[in-house]
Amino acid sequence: DAGVIQSPRHEVTEMGQEVTLRCKLISGHNSLFWYRQTMMRGLELLIYFNNNVPIDDSGMPEDRFSAKMPNASFSTLKIQPSEPRDSAVYFCASRLRDTGNTIYFGEGSWLTVV
Amino acid sequence: GENVGLHLPTLSVQEGDNSIINCAYSNSASDYFIWYKQESGKGPQFIIDIRSNMDKRQGQRVTVLLNKTVKHLSLQIAATQPGDSAVYFCAETLGGSARQLTFGSGTQLTVLP
Repeated sequence: DAGVIQSPRHEVTEMGQEVTLRCKLISGHNSLFWYRQTMMRGLELLIYFNNNVPIDDSGMPEDRFSAKMPNASFSTLKIQPSEPRDSAVYFCASRLRDTGNTIYFGEGSWLTVV
Repeated sequence: GENVGLHLPTLSVQEGDNSIINCAYSNSASDYFIWYKQESGKGPQFIIDIRSNMDKRQGQRVTVLLNKTVKHLSLQIAATQPGDSAVYFCAETLGGSARQLTFGSGTQLTVLP
């Protein structure tokens, strides 16, 4: 079975550039989560969606970050403009909400902003 | 000033020995707990879960113990193998339909040959 699929796996970009991270949920899942992982702060929840609707975006650092779910199986996380402190691993995760609380993670997008 | 990164607790065990990884959770109302394993360069991977109405649950080579009195969770790995080397996170949720997980800082397990 295909798991959560993220792209790009690695990205290096210059400060000020726009970054778009993409995520495809596990087929049939209806909750989506974006996490950020750094050595300083560990795993942090940025935002999550249920049935394409953003439920809690209180973890989004600032207005430079935005996330969308244009359809039930796909999401994007955008950073514009990017800054060096945004360098981190960004994980997407999904869950079948009605059957439990276990969420399944993708392999992550490793972002470096120079 | 210089940033200081997270200093993960570490545990080193000999191959074939049993490992015990501990976790103290924060919210006494949490009712669902999960252990994740994260190998270098990969995303967290679900290992085992337990609900608060249980104090023990077993999987393949792994056992999770829950002590609600002291808000403590442990993961026991039997006959530890080199492939078990990873960072292990515990996570807790609040409410039966909790919307998000709160992750601990993780423990680095290193299996020695």
